[in-house]
Amino acid sequence: EDKVVQSPLSLVVHEGDTVTLNCSYEVTNFRSLLWYKQEKKAPTFLFMLTSSGIEKKSGRLSSILDKKELFSILNITATQTGDSAVYLCAARSNSNSGYALNFGKGTSLLVTP
Amino acid sequence: DSGVTQTPKHLITATGQRVTLRCSPRSGDLSVYWYQQSLDQGLQFLIQYYNGEERAKGNILERFSAQQFPDLHSELNLSSLELGDSALYFCASSVGGGLRTDTQYFGPGTRLTVL
Repeated sequence: EDKVVQSPLSLVVHEGDTVTLNCSYEVTNFRSLLWYKQEKKAPTFLFMLTSSGIEKKSGRLSSILDKKELFSILNITATQTGDSAVYLCAARSNSNSGYALNFGKGTSLLVTP
Repeated sequence: DSGVTQTPKHLITATGQRVTLRCSPRSGDLSVYWYQQSLDQGLQFLIQYYNGEERAKGNILERFSAQQFPDLHSELNLSSLELGDSALYFCASSVGGGLRTDTQYFGPGTRLTVL
C-alpha cells in the first residue's frame, strides 16, 4: 500500500528560527514529490522534485529529494509568522489505475513572534 | 487565487441525501482532480478526469461519481450521504494528464456538512 509519512506532526518555533520538515514515502512507481502550503483553505504549490540531490529554492524555502533513501526535506530559514501553516508533501505514483498523488497528513507549523 | 473555481462554498444537508459539487478548471487546463480532506484522514485523492475521460481513480466510494463535461468543468456527485462524508472537498486542475512534471493547482474547496 502506498504510504507518505510526514514528521513532525506539529512544530512551534520563534520568529527567526530555521525549521526542517521531513517527508518519507513508499509508493508504487514513484514519479515526483511535491510540497504544498495550506493556510486557511486550498493548498498552494511550493515545489516539485523529480531528481535526487538537486536543491530547489524559493526565497527562504528550499527542498531536496533523496530517491535512494525515499525521503524529502523542506527547509524554511529565518521563519516569519506568515510561514504558519500546514505543510503537505505528496508523492506522485503511477499504478494500473493511472497517476495519483498520495498525500501525507501534513506538518502543522506555528511561528510565534 | 489559483484560477480554479468551486461551487458552492458550503453545503449542509441531511443523511441519505445527494449533492453535486462543481468545479471549473484554470483556463487551458485539461485535467481535473477531486480530493476529500477530513480531520482524521488528511487529504485523499478521489478521481482524475483528463479531457472528458477518467484517467485515474483513488479512494472513491461507490456512492460517489464524477464526470467532466465538454467545456472541461467537472461535477462530483455524492449520494446516500453519511455523517462520515462531512469533509472539505477540493478540486485541482493541471495542464496535462498527470505526467511527472504536471503541477496541480487547487480550488478553494467546498465544505460539506452532513447532519
